[in-house]
Amino acid sequence: DIQMTQSPSTLSASVGDRVTITCRASQSISSWLAWYQQKPGKAPKLLIYKASSLESGVPSRFSGSGSGTEFTLTISSLQPDDFATYYCQQYNSYPITFGQGTRLEIK
Amino acid sequence: QVQLVQSGAEVKKPGASVKVSCKVSGYTLTELSMHWVRQAPGKGLEWMGGFDPEDGETIYAQKFQGRVTMTEDTSTDTAYMELSSLRSEDTAVYYCATPIGGGAFDIWGQGTMVTVSS
Repeated sequence: DIQMTQSPSTLSASVGDRVTITCRASQSISSWLAWYQQKPGKAPKLLIYKASSLESGVPSRFSGSGSGTEFTLTISSLQPDDFATYYCQQYNSYPITFGQGTRLEIK
Repeated sequence: QVQLVQSGAEVKKPGASVKVSCKVSGYTLTELSMHWVRQAPGKGLEWMGGFDPEDGETIYAQKFQGRVTMTEDTSTDTAYMELSSLRSEDTAVYYCATPIGGGAFDIWGQGTMVTVSS
């Protein structure tokens, strides 16, 4: 199975900050990586697919990069609505696996 | 516009089975590849299995092999996930999800809370 490791597990930041979350795969997944945002009591929401493609309707302050085993999600200027938990997911091969999550909290 | 609407919360005793449904609207089920993901309280996302259109088969995560069955009723565009031999560790929110655009899960159901308790 491909292990997905996110860092950090928790991130404290302020409105307006630029933040970056990292996801590492235990083996190459090409660009078959997605990022999701989840708020308490809600289903995950797709933000980024194929490592760097922005899902329709997602604000442009979200961006993704990387390929192979190293990936990043960047939020260019944090907004109040962005405080949530973020997950990476590989869909290069089965079983599909998720990172453990990064909780983004208000500083 | 695709929507996935799941069945309501369930409370089950250890050893019982649960069957969660996921009704599709806006598409037909045959046009989709349905997957199931669960999330235990305060924990991360865990993929349980889903339909692989390349092989035309349903693939299950090894952890759930022998305990989970994913089926579809194309006459009602409803997908089902049945989990048997329930234990307390199966207490979780169960989501159906599907990749419309290709690969990543862009459409999710609202989730179904399954509580396993004696």
